[in-house]
Amino acid sequence: EAGVAQSPRYKIIEKRQSVAFWCNPISGHATLYWYQQILGQGPKLLIQFQNNGVVDDSQLPKDRFSAERLKGVDSTLKIQPAKLEDSAVYLCASSPDGEFYGYTFGSGTRLTVV
Amino acid sequence: GQNIDQPTEMTATEGAIVQINCTYQTSGFNGLFWYQQHAGEAPTFLSYNVLDGLEEKGRFSSFLSRSKGYSYLLLKELQMKDSASYLCAVKGQAGTALIFGKGTTLSVSS
Repeated sequence: EAGVAQSPRYKIIEKRQSVAFWCNPISGHATLYWYQQILGQGPKLLIQFQNNGVVDDSQLPKDRFSAERLKGVDSTLKIQPAKLEDSAVYLCASSPDGEFYGYTFGSGTRLTVV
Repeated sequence: GQNIDQPTEMTATEGAIVQINCTYQTSGFNGLFWYQQHAGEAPTFLSYNVLDGLEEKGRFSSFLSRSKGYSYLLLKELQMKDSASYLCAVKGQAGTALIFGKGTTLSVSS
């Protein structure tokens, strides 16, 4: 089966600019996650979708980050305006329904804010 | 609060055995996962434990003790390609997302 697709692979922007990331999960996976991974740390959940509804966005900095999952498939994550501390890898993952499945991660988008 | 602890770095030599420990404190428990992440790549699933005991999968084994909030990942017959970060992750309450530790960077030398 095809994996989780993410684009772009790399992005360099100046602070205060905006940026958007795209994710296409594995077909049939109901749950989609966006994680932020700062260098040397583990992934930190930003937002969890179940189909096209938000399950958990408690750690999403809503003053600058937004995410949507239209039609319960593709998802976009946007940052506006970006700050230096947003430099990180943004990982998208998806999983089937059920508690006993691991996630499949995309290759991630490496964002550098200068 | 929720907390997952694992050592930051470990080193070992080819052919050796290494054990990476993970302790956790979470609200609820619905499974513990181990992921491998090579530098610059996405995490890949290694193992899953929800009941106490040892799960073996080839050169990798994972152990869980729910009463102690403790797990370990055991890697046998180490190879250079095993040099990577190993992430411990816990699913707390049902329906919630995985919570990840900071990862253990394993360096295997010849």
